[in-house]
Amino acid sequence: EDQVTQSPEALRLQEGESSSLNCSYTVSGLRGLFWYRQDPGKGPEFLFTLYSAGEEKEKERLKATLTKKESFLHITAPKPEDSATYLCAVTNAGGTSYGKLTFGQGTILTVHP
Amino acid sequence: DTAVSQTPKYLVTQMGNDKSIKCEQNLGHDTMYWYKQDSKKFLKIMFSYNNKELIINETVPNRFSPKSPDKAHLNLHINSLELGDSAVYFCASSQLNNYNEQFFGPGTRLTVL
Repeated sequence: EDQVTQSPEALRLQEGESSSLNCSYTVSGLRGLFWYRQDPGKGPEFLFTLYSAGEEKEKERLKATLTKKESFLHITAPKPEDSATYLCAVTNAGGTSYGKLTFGQGTILTVHP
Repeated sequence: DTAVSQTPKYLVTQMGNDKSIKCEQNLGHDTMYWYKQDSKKFLKIMFSYNNKELIINETVPNRFSPKSPDKAHLNLHINSLELGDSAVYFCASSQLNNYNEQFFGPGTRLTVL
């Protein structure tokens, strides 16, 4: 069964203090690894998809990287508006679980001004 | 302009009642999903429909019955509600061959008293 573990559970940063969130995964044939952002009271918002080890994607202050066992979400010079829960998810190559996303428990990021 | 919409946003009901949650997407996607997010914010898939056909059915009590009248709509009917059904339910949609980038609705917070 696919498994996703995110760390830390919660992260407090000062504005401008760069850091990284970790997502470790076990999956039978990775088809894609996804990062989502979730604000309180809202649905998850798609950020990135990574398909293979070595791949990197960037969006504003966020950069996602992927290895064969884990993914990192690097946040450079964060701002208070980056405060949210960041969710990692994987989908495998198919079979009866085709299309299924398995999520981690999320990392709650708080950025103080 | 809402891509994935759900109604109602809040649902408060008594144990034993039957209730429905509706979901609509205007993205032209062929696949829709229901997820449950528990009090610890853990997001878990319940069902998935592709072109009105059930393709994912996780271990969910048979009190939960999804219905897809067309590929733009996926409703969730819950019979004999229990306290443990209290959670936030999210609808999502994707184009199944697009490596499963899923777009989520705003969620329905269900409280069973």
